[in-house]
Amino acid sequence: NAGVTQTPKFRILKIGQSMTLQCTQDMNHNYMYWYRQDPGMGLKLIYYSVGAGITDKGEVPNGYNVSRSTTEDFPLRLELAAPSQTSVYFCASSYLTGWSGNTIYFGEGSWLTVV
Amino acid sequence: QQQVKQSPQSLIVQKGGISIINCAYENTAFDYFPWYQQFPGKGPALLIAIRPDVSEKKEGRFTISFNKSAKQFSLHIMDSQPGDSATYFCAALKAAGNKLTFGGGTRVLVKP
Repeated sequence: NAGVTQTPKFRILKIGQSMTLQCTQDMNHNYMYWYRQDPGMGLKLIYYSVGAGITDKGEVPNGYNVSRSTTEDFPLRLELAAPSQTSVYFCASSYLTGWSGNTIYFGEGSWLTVV
Repeated sequence: QQQVKQSPQSLIVQKGGISIINCAYENTAFDYFPWYQQFPGKGPALLIAIRPDVSEKKEGRFTISFNKSAKQFSLHIMDSQPGDSATYFCAALKAAGNKLTFGGGTRVLVKP
């Protein structure tokens, strides 16, 4: 059972370059998320999706774009990389089970450095 | 604004001791409070969670205490082991939005 898979694991980008972080999940989850984690900080939500074709902004969406063409895939696009986007990126997914509790499963992270 | 505040930022405890991490939240619409454990180089993983209609939940050596009136909750790790050394995040969720809001994290080091 693969769960949530992210690629690449590590990437160095030059300022102004573009790239896409890939994320796929095999649990048939409705919800998918992208978080970023800066050193010594908690996770901040970038974008999320409640299902194929539906996306919405989180706390820190500027400089990023997402799409959700299938239930399984939720890529994150950086159009013009900036040093402020140096971070660890986590993709996650979950069912929506209401207020009784809902486990969110995380991928192992993608380390991105912009120089 | 920081909706979930976590303290301390780091914690060192001897093997066999008790680790205590505290969190406070502001938004009364939160209705689910999970704790996540993260090892270096890995993504966070759900450790234990509590709903606001109970005051305590225990799973093995891990206990959540919840004080709804004070809008505070805490994680206690009993008989701490070196394998518990990790970063712990509290979080809060509004079921309607299904979006987690995380605390800043606590790095726990258990010395043998």
